[in-house]
Amino acid sequence: NFMLAQPHSVSESPGKTVTISCTRSSGSIASNYVQWYQQRPGSAPTTLIYEDNQRPSGVPDRFSASVDSSSNSASLTISGLKTDDEADYYCQSYKGGDWVFGGGTKLTVL
Amino acid sequence: EVQLVESGGGLVRPGGSLTLSCVASGFTFSSYSMNWVRQAPGKGLEWVSSISSSGNYIFLADSVKGRFTISRDNAKNSVSLHMSSLRTEETAVYFCARGKDGYPWPDFWGQGTLVTVSS
Repeated sequence: NFMLAQPHSVSESPGKTVTISCTRSSGSIASNYVQWYQQRPGSAPTTLIYEDNQRPSGVPDRFSASVDSSSNSASLTISGLKTDDEADYYCQSYKGGDWVFGGGTKLTVL
Repeated sequence: EVQLVESGGGLVRPGGSLTLSCVASGFTFSSYSMNWVRQAPGKGLEWVSSISSSGNYIFLADSVKGRFTISRDNAKNSVSLHMSSLRTEETAVYFCARGKDGYPWPDFWGQGTLVTVSS
């Protein structure tokens, strides 16, 4: 199966914009949808983005995502950073019925 | 309000068995696929298993095939994960998550139940 590589950590200041990448090791990133999840410390994950760039109701439009076939990667962009955005972020895709998660990225807002 | 409440976690010896349950409320359970995802302490998320809304389609991660089984009871709005031959490295919080048939990702997650495999 393929793997999804994410940076271990990123940091940015409040009010700024940060982008988290998710690179697929084999096969095309565009062949299966990519999802993104947010997990605050001590809490369960929540679904932030589904089907590459769709936001569930209730997710602010400060969160956006895209897929880039040239780099075989997906990206999550968070604009207008708030201290409350400090969390772990995971990308996820699949092959058939098998799910694959990225290793997660710890976002620090300082 | 959608709710998923997991139970059944606890301490189990290596090689032992444990069954986790997840009871759902606030939605039409029989219309949704259900999934289990685990997270070892300080580690990332790992998909474990999925079952379709009817129970006819089951998927298991290679790491648990032959040892874990997933089942559901639509009359009781519940999904179970039976785990056997447990290993110490399977110590984790096990999350129940709701999905949709044909869409391999969850849209809602439970709070999780901790399984500790230790002698």
